[in-house]
Amino acid sequence: GAVVSQHPSRVICKSGTSVKIECRSLDFQATTMFWYRQFPKQSLMLMATSNEGSKATYEQGVEKDKFLINHASLTLSTLTVTSAHPEDSSFYICSARQGRGETQYFGPGTRLLVL
Amino acid sequence: GQSLEQPSEVTAVEGAIVQINCTYQTSGFYGLSWYQQHDGGAPTFLSYNALDGLEETGRFSSFLSRSDSYGYLLLQELQMKDSASYFCAVRDRGFKTIFGAGTRLFVKA
Repeated sequence: GAVVSQHPSRVICKSGTSVKIECRSLDFQATTMFWYRQFPKQSLMLMATSNEGSKATYEQGVEKDKFLINHASLTLSTLTVTSAHPEDSSFYICSARQGRGETQYFGPGTRLLVL
Repeated sequence: GQSLEQPSEVTAVEGAIVQINCTYQTSGFYGLSWYQQHDGGAPTFLSYNALDGLEETGRFSSFLSRSDSYGYLLLQELQMKDSASYFCAVRDRGFKTIFGAGTRLFVKA
């Protein structure tokens, strides 16, 4: 099946620094990628939808200047958490969809811990 | 607004059958999906229903009733490895997928 990778899998950073998370579709072209955030024992909260070559669409309450998303190619999307703070500590998961298909293929997630 | 309701926890024994229900309210509806997530892992796709009826894939089946805004995931011949969280999700008219809060399934020996 389709494979989506994320890098890094785990990151610890100091408060105030920026962290970039990469999401790659390895064996298919992802016209749409999604970024989710998940707190322990909670659901996945959609942060933004990213279409290749266009600006990301952010969900209500998600600060676009804090969570910068770039979808530069059909196989790569990046999420940059700028000036991270402890409350940004979470599990960030990307997913990719091929065309208008239903199935979303999820990356393995990135655990961010901001000290 | 959009909302999905599913039970927070379900416990069952190995070999049994368990049904996880999901009711939804969305602005536009294109289908109901189910995902499985083990602790610390990423969600994996289980099934998708766009039309009313039952879809069967091995031990897992999923049902949808669009008129009732209701669906369920049926897991048969439960195994210990089925212990996980199960999320129902709907695809709205914006082609976004919105997830329910998840149901934690505990399978006992």
